[in-house]
Amino acid sequence: DQQVKQNSPSLSVQEGRISILNCDYTNSMFDYFLWYKKYPAEGPTFLISISSIKDKNEDGRFTVFLNKSAKHLSLHIVPSQPGDSAVYFCAALEVTSYGKLTFGQGTILTVHP
Amino acid sequence: DTGVSQNPRHKITKRGQNVTFRCDPISEHNRLYWYRQTLGQGPEFLTYFQNEAQLEKSRLLSDRFSAERPKGSFSTLEIQRTEQGDSAMYLCASSTRGAYTDTQYFGPGTRLTVL
Repeated sequence: DQQVKQNSPSLSVQEGRISILNCDYTNSMFDYFLWYKKYPAEGPTFLISISSIKDKNEDGRFTVFLNKSAKHLSLHIVPSQPGDSAVYFCAALEVTSYGKLTFGQGTILTVHP
Repeated sequence: DTGVSQNPRHKITKRGQNVTFRCDPISEHNRLYWYRQTLGQGPEFLTYFQNEAQLEKSRLLSDRFSAERPKGSFSTLEIQRTEQGDSAMYLCASSTRGAYTDTQYFGPGTRLTVL
């Protein structure tokens, strides 16, 4: 039972354009959402997060949007840079529980110069 | 460096051998998590410590797996009688919870290969 889904295995964009990565979840108890970036043979690196009390959070080039009614979140990267090329994971948790993260399958982002 | 560290980074072992991994969390974090990641998948939760207490274990954690966190500092994950299906990246993360937040920071992982 995949509670967090990233339906696009890969995304290719041109340098300078916007990258939009999508994530859907089914568990209505999730109330905190995170995006991680991962390079091969390394651990996930935290990028940005959002609590369910908000619908948008920005940090530099990264913005996360949360649509609770649709159980959908997205990560926007503007402008995209070649160094952004990596696997991006969406993750969710219930803050009031033990806090275990449930991850999506990941999306491979490739930014072309 | 004040990030999460894991040792060793790589471990190759023969089927049936025991292996132990170590995780040193960020010093002020009281929560510590172990995850496992296989190729093409996102990390999957294995177990969780709050200070020295192990509060939750996944069904993925068979009897061959044991984890400890003595004195609420570093943690070890031991796999006994390894099987080829145990080959994966083992990730450790730590966090400290806020009112609405619980951001987990990951270490570089230990890549286990069972021959």
